Amino acid sequence: QKEVEQNSGPLSVPEGAIASLNCTYSDRGSQSFFWYRQYSGKSPELIMFIYSNGDKEDGRFTAQLNKASQYVSLLIRDSQPSDSATYLCAVRGSSASKIIFGSGTRLSIRP
Amino acid sequence: GAGVSQSPSNKVTEKGKDVELRCDPISGHTALYWYRQRLGQGLEFLIYFQGNSAPDKSGLPSDRFSAERTGESVSTLTIQRTQQEDSAVYLCASSSAFGEQFFGPGTRLTVL
Repeated sequence: QKEVEQNSGPLSVPEGAIASLNCTYSDRGSQSFFWYRQYSGKSPELIMFIYSNGDKEDGRFTAQLNKASQYVSLLIRDSQPSDSATYLCAVRGSSASKIIFGSGTRLSIRP
Repeated sequence: GAGVSQSPSNKVTEKGKDVELRCDPISGHTALYWYRQRLGQGLEFLIYFQGNSAPDKSGLPSDRFSAERTGESVSTLTIQRTQQEDSAVYLCASSSAFGEQFFGPGTRLTVL
């Protein structure tokens, strides 16, 4: 079992709709959760982090964490073509442990 | 600069040569990671440095790969006797105690 799992996609969403990206993790003791966006040919960039159960909103982005279900998601409202990218979920166990990345979900926003 | 920097940005080498890649992390970041990313693939973890602890080398694909970090500053990734399958983008990232990683622009390595 992979430590951090994501559906590879591609996920195709019409412009203006909500894109929902999902991630599950195997280490129940994980404490920190991150979402990165990677455009083709570019480095990953951090877009959201969440530490506590529940929702965290930042502009059009909402991260959702459910530790009991070992599930973290990213919602993108009012999707734009510029949101087309690969989205990477990353999880860290304790404060000293290394971050583990999922393999990423490719998102395509169709005009 | 405030970000992570890497050099060189591009490196073309011949099979069998050694290469050295450099990463300058964000000042004050205690953790530093190296990743490899082949074209169209995900991030492949190579090595993790955390403060003065022994590095986590569990991702290094062979003994041709090694990395060093001096304190909480510069890191170098060395690939000896390069092979064509080593061609990839090598990414460095640093993070603070909170864990958010900031990536450098990467070094694109091409082995002919």
